[in-house]
Amino acid sequence: KQEVTQIPAALSVPEGENLVLNCSFTDSAIYNLQWFRQDPGKGLTSLLLIQSSQREQTSGRLNASLDKSSGRSTLYIAASQPGDSATYLCAVRGKLTGGGNKLTFGTGTQLKVEL
Amino acid sequence: DTEVTQTPKHLVMGMTNKKSLKCEQHMGHRAMYWYKQKAKKPPELMFVYSYEKLSINESVPSRFSPECPNSSLLNLHLHALQPEDSALYLCASSPYLGRGNTGELFFGEGSRLTVL
Repeated sequence: KQEVTQIPAALSVPEGENLVLNCSFTDSAIYNLQWFRQDPGKGLTSLLLIQSSQREQTSGRLNASLDKSSGRSTLYIAASQPGDSATYLCAVRGKLTGGGNKLTFGTGTQLKVEL
Repeated sequence: DTEVTQTPKHLVMGMTNKKSLKCEQHMGHRAMYWYKQKAKKPPELMFVYSYEKLSINESVPSRFSPECPNSSLLNLHLHALQPEDSALYLCASSPYLGRGNTGELFFGEGSRLTVL
């Protein structure tokens, strides 16, 4: 059974700092990995998706990497802003023949960027 | 249009009521999902529909009854719920996997359900 862990559970940083969020998964047989952000009481917004054959994806100030063999992904946020404050979730999708319609979510990292 | 629309945004119901949550997408996605999320927890998968057929049921109690009347709509019928069923219910959709599709998941804003 796939298990996904995110470290740290909570993080508070001053504005302008670069930061890294970590995601670990136990089964490396994945189809892809997706990073989301969630504002309190809201739905999830997709940030980046990395296919199992890819090493990284970039969107603006965000960069996500994937090391499938070691079961790790990182989300790098450059020059953090107060508007980045949210909970960040990673989710792993199983391979097509092994429950490809199931996403397993990580436990989340609650980020607060202070002025 | 990358929008998944959920209604209602808030719902309060008694344990004997029957209500429904609705979800709609017009992205041509053929996989649709229901998730349940409790406070400060990650979303938990409830059901998956692929090409309008139920493909995954994560052993959800029968008081939750999903329905996919067409490729754009997904409903969740609620009956005889318990207070512990109070949660944020999230609908999502994605392209069907394979054929070069990434399977990127798009979520709605959720329906906040309170069971009294």
